[in-house]
Amino acid sequence: NAGVTQTPKFRVLKTGQSMTLLCAQDMNHEYMYWYRQDPGMGLRLIHYSVGEGTTAKGEVPDGYNVSRLKKQNFLLGLESAAPSQTSVYFCASSYKGPTQPQHFGDGTRLSIL
Amino acid sequence: AQSVTQLGSHVSVSEGALVLLRCNYSSSVPPYLFWYVQYPNQGLQLLLKYTSAATLVKGINGFEAEFKKSETSFHLTKPSAHMSDAAEYFCAVGGSYIPTFGRGTSLIVHP
Repeated sequence: NAGVTQTPKFRVLKTGQSMTLLCAQDMNHEYMYWYRQDPGMGLRLIHYSVGEGTTAKGEVPDGYNVSRLKKQNFLLGLESAAPSQTSVYFCASSYKGPTQPQHFGDGTRLSIL
Repeated sequence: AQSVTQLGSHVSVSEGALVLLRCNYSSSVPPYLFWYVQYPNQGLQLLLKYTSAATLVKGINGFEAEFKKSETSFHLTKPSAHMSDAAEYFCAVGGSYIPTFGRGTSLIVHP
């Protein structure tokens, strides 16, 4: 049972480049989330999804887009990367909503030069 | 609305000493509370969760937390720290809204 898998694990981009982070879960969870983690800031919610085909904005959505075409996958896109988006990105999933614990991936470390 | 405050960004203890990590929450509905642990270069793992069944919740690795409604607190404790407990700990509150995380407390364990 793989749980939540994030790809890639590391990436270096130049300012203005685009990329997509992939999150896949094999637990048939309805809810999926994208967070960023920065020193001293804890986890900040970027976008989330309450089911296949749905997405919603979180606390810090600007500069990011998401899609959930399949229940098991949640994609996070950066259309034009900026140095301020240098961070560690975590994907999580939960069986249902806010009353359930979340399962996290191991993160993607992204540097924007 | 909901929020979480973790008191102390760093807590330092000696091996074998009591561990106490503080978490206070606010919530407009009965809360669901969680503690997660994050080891270096890993994602968060669930330590324990409060879902109103019992106020004292036991988790993995000898940790436990007590829900105190009157104090709006959910502090995490462990009677005797081990070197392997050194990690970042996050408190989170859920319920009607997407879970909100505290900023985390780094636990440092000295030999």
